[in-house]
Amino acid sequence: DAGITQSPRHKVTETGTPVTLRCHQTENHRYMYWYRQDPGHGLRLIHYSYGVKDTDKGEVSDGYSVSRSKTEDFLLTLESATSSQTSVYFCAISESVANEKLFFGSGTQLSVL
Amino acid sequence: AQSVTQLGSHVSVSEGALVLLRCNYSSSVPPYLFWYVQYPNQGLQLLLKYTTGATLVKGINGFEAEFKKSETSFHLTKPSAHMSDAAEYFCAVTGQDSSYKLIFGSGTRLLVRP
Repeated sequence: DAGITQSPRHKVTETGTPVTLRCHQTENHRYMYWYRQDPGHGLRLIHYSYGVKDTDKGEVSDGYSVSRSKTEDFLLTLESATSSQTSVYFCAISESVANEKLFFGSGTQLSVL
Repeated sequence: AQSVTQLGSHVSVSEGALVLLRCNYSSSVPPYLFWYVQYPNQGLQLLLKYTTGATLVKGINGFEAEFKKSETSFHLTKPSAHMSDAAEYFCAVTGQDSSYKLIFGSGTRLLVRP
C-alpha cells in the first residue's frame, strides 16, 4: 500500500471553529489532492497541489484553503467550519498527472455540529 | 464541462451471477476513463483504466470494462460475482487538458447475495 497517512481519522467540532486536516505521504509523489465524499455525490475535488507551494482550486473549494510547504505534507483548513462541511475527506496522491494511478488515504470523518 | 453518470445507486446480484455496473460520460474530447473500488472504511483503489489503445480493458479481481465511444459508455463487468466483490464502485473521467483532474460519478454500491 502507498504510504499515505491522514490525521485525524475522526473529528467532531462545532460550527465556527477552525479545523485543519493533515495528509502525509512517504512516496515523494508530486501531486496531492483533497476530496470530500458525500452520499449521492461521489467524490468531489476540493483543492489539489502540483508541487511545493503550488496549489489550485477544485470544484468545491469555497470555505476551504490548503497549504503545501513540503513535498510530503498537504494540509486542508476549514477556516470557520459549517454543518455543510460534515463529510468524509480523502487525500490522494499521484506520481504524475491524474491519468496515472491515484492512491488514496483511509479518510477523515469530520462532523460539524 | 465533463460529467459522469452511473446508473443505479445500488445493484444486487447473486453469488456467481454476472456483474454489470453502468457508466456513461459526457466529453467533447476522447477521455481517460477509470473504475475505482471502495471497500468499507477504506479509501479508493484503482480497478482499471482506459487511456488509449484497446477498448476492452482488463483490471484486477476479474473485472473488465469496454470503452464504447459511440455510446459514450464505459460499463464494468465481471462474469461471476464473489462475496468479496461487495463494495462501492466509482467511475471517473478526465480529459486530455492540462489539468487532468478526475471527475467522479456518484457511485454504485454492489451487494452480493449468497
